[in-house]
Amino acid sequence: DAGVTQSPTHLIKTRGQHVTLRCSPISGHKSVSWYQQVLGQGPQFIFQYYEKEERGRGNFPDRFSARQFPNYSSELNVNALLLGDSALYLCASSLGVTGAAIQYFGAGTRLSVL
Amino acid sequence: DQQVKQNSPSLSVQEGRISILNCDYTNSMFDYFLWYKKYPAEGPTFLISISSIKDKNEDGRFTVFLNKSAKHLSLHIVPSQPGDSAVYFCAAPRTSGTYKYIFGTGTRLKVLA
Repeated sequence: DAGVTQSPTHLIKTRGQHVTLRCSPISGHKSVSWYQQVLGQGPQFIFQYYEKEERGRGNFPDRFSARQFPNYSSELNVNALLLGDSALYLCASSLGVTGAAIQYFGAGTRLSVL
Repeated sequence: DQQVKQNSPSLSVQEGRISILNCDYTNSMFDYFLWYKKYPAEGPTFLISISSIKDKNEDGRFTVFLNKSAKHLSLHIVPSQPGDSAVYFCAAPRTSGTYKYIFGTGTRLKVLA
């Protein structure tokens, strides 16, 4: 069975541009979460979507937005890119949104902002 | 607000010995704690979890201990193997108020052959 897939794997953008990252969850998983991981830090929670509705939001500016589609895939959009947005962006899917829900991660999208 | 902390950025252990990774938290409302392992160029993978109503959970070579009064948990790996070399994160979902999934900063474990 396919795990969580993310595209693209690598991306280079310049300041001020926008970017769209994509994620396909494990089949049967209805929840998708997005994380940002910078070097030397743990993953920072950005959003969680469940059944196409936003269920959680981390401390990120409004330049970050996301949505979930009827097939449970998801997009993360970042507008007006800053140098500090350079990071590994991880997507994770889970069966539900309970505290015990295990997150299954993709390999991530490495975003470099020049 | 770093509610989950891992104060040791790295740890080196000899093969066959015990590895102990530590994690502290500040929010007494967490119901579950999870440990994830991350290899380079891969996403984190789930290792083991513990409910806040328990003080120990064991799965093969991996045991997690929870001390609620000290707001501290630890992951024990016995015996350590070179394939265990990875970055380990503790994590806690916050389900009260706005949902968040909070990770620690990670501990890089190196198991020496």
